[in-house]
Amino acid sequence: EADIYQTPRYLVIGTGKKITLECSQTMGHDKMYWYQQDPGMELHLIHYSYGVNSTEKGDLSSESTVSRIRTEHFPLTLESARPSHTSQYLCASSNPSGNTIYFGEGSWLTVV
Amino acid sequence: AQTVTQSQPEMSVQEAETVTLSCTYDTSESDYYLFWYKQPPSRQMILVIRQEAYKQQNATENRFSVNFQKAAKSFSLKISDSQLGDAAMYFCAYRTNRDDKIIFGKGTRLHILP
Repeated sequence: EADIYQTPRYLVIGTGKKITLECSQTMGHDKMYWYQQDPGMELHLIHYSYGVNSTEKGDLSSESTVSRIRTEHFPLTLESARPSHTSQYLCASSNPSGNTIYFGEGSWLTVV
Repeated sequence: AQTVTQSQPEMSVQEAETVTLSCTYDTSESDYYLFWYKQPPSRQMILVIRQEAYKQQNATENRFSVNFQKAAKSFSLKISDSQLGDAAMYFCAYRTNRDDKIIFGKGTRLHILP
């Protein structure tokens, strides 16, 4: 069982609101990732981190931002949500050897 | 840039039969991992099987096995004795040790027919 948690699981918010999606893991993993996935579609890497104070943008441009102040936490923030941000956001972490990637259950975001 | 291609958007197989999902990838690296992940509807992504590029032997996990052809950059997944619980989206993924980015294919939706 993977010890990686995402909150909220489901969120409906209005346009222009600021939201933060939380992701935490208890495995002590340095490497963490955020993916965006529309229903039934592929995963797009939007952010990743190699450890504390390390953040990188992924292959898909995103208006979201991330921070990594603590190893366990990798929150994703949207300063001003728009309907185009409606999607599922998946958080993941990788063990040191990189041979296993653990996923959270995902956060479904709907912006109305 | 590394890419992962799954050419079958959807597949169907009769229960108890065998099905093979295709995956090809493009890379100039020699040291990497390949994965197959399963994503049931509205449920968590889970690891099905993984393969290390330097290992020539194909990985197997119970009813799941891969056909890893490194020269051809091909990594297909074979599911034997298909079960209703195997119905899901299956994603092929690639990870290089150089930058730790994990790249996913577009996925194959697998239907199991009773």
